Amino acid sequence: DAGVIQSPRHEVTEMGQEVTLRCKPISGHNSLFWYRQTMMRGLELLIYFNNNVPIDDSGMPEDRFSAKMPNASFSTLKIQPSEPRDSAVYFCASSLSSGYNEQFFGPGTRLTVL
Amino acid sequence: TQLLEQSPQFLSIQEGENLTVYCNSSSVFSSLQWYRQEPGEGPVLLVTVVTGGEVKKLKRLTFQFGDARKDSSLHITAAQPGDTGLYLCAGGGGSGNTGKLIFGQGTTLQVKP
Repeated sequence: DAGVIQSPRHEVTEMGQEVTLRCKPISGHNSLFWYRQTMMRGLELLIYFNNNVPIDDSGMPEDRFSAKMPNASFSTLKIQPSEPRDSAVYFCASSLSSGYNEQFFGPGTRLTVL
Repeated sequence: TQLLEQSPQFLSIQEGENLTVYCNSSSVFSSLQWYRQEPGEGPVLLVTVVTGGEVKKLKRLTFQFGDARKDSSLHITAAQPGDTGLYLCAGGGGSGNTGKLIFGQGTTLQVKP
């Protein structure tokens, strides 16, 4: 069974450009989480969805960040416009909300904003 | 606000040594999970403990959930270079269970050959 799939794995862009990160959760999982990881701040939860509905977006840094989950098998995290301080590794994770909330992470997208 | 504090934050040891990583909180969790993350990859779930006082073993790794379900420990016996990585504890099902996990800040372990 395929795990969580993220694309692209690496993204290098210039300040001011729009960046879209993509995630396909594990089939059958009904919760999806977007995290950002940096050396300074560790792993931060940005937003999560339950049954495709955003539940908590309090971790989204500012209005430049937006996330969507149009169906159970796809989610996007968009940054517009991007800034150098957005450089980080972005992880998507999925879980079954009826269990012990065990999360399965994708390989991450390493974003570099020049 | 629920917080999980891990200690130590960094640990560098020689192959064959034993070590313990701690994860503490003032909040009660219904489950506590440990993840390991290797460079360039996402965190991978190692174990979930759900009962106060529970002990689980995974080869040379021993995980324990505190009696009050507020803390946990990870003990590695005879560490090997392959154990190198970032270890994260995460608590689930705290007050107002919303499905999300509360992650600790992580313990970076380096095992030198």
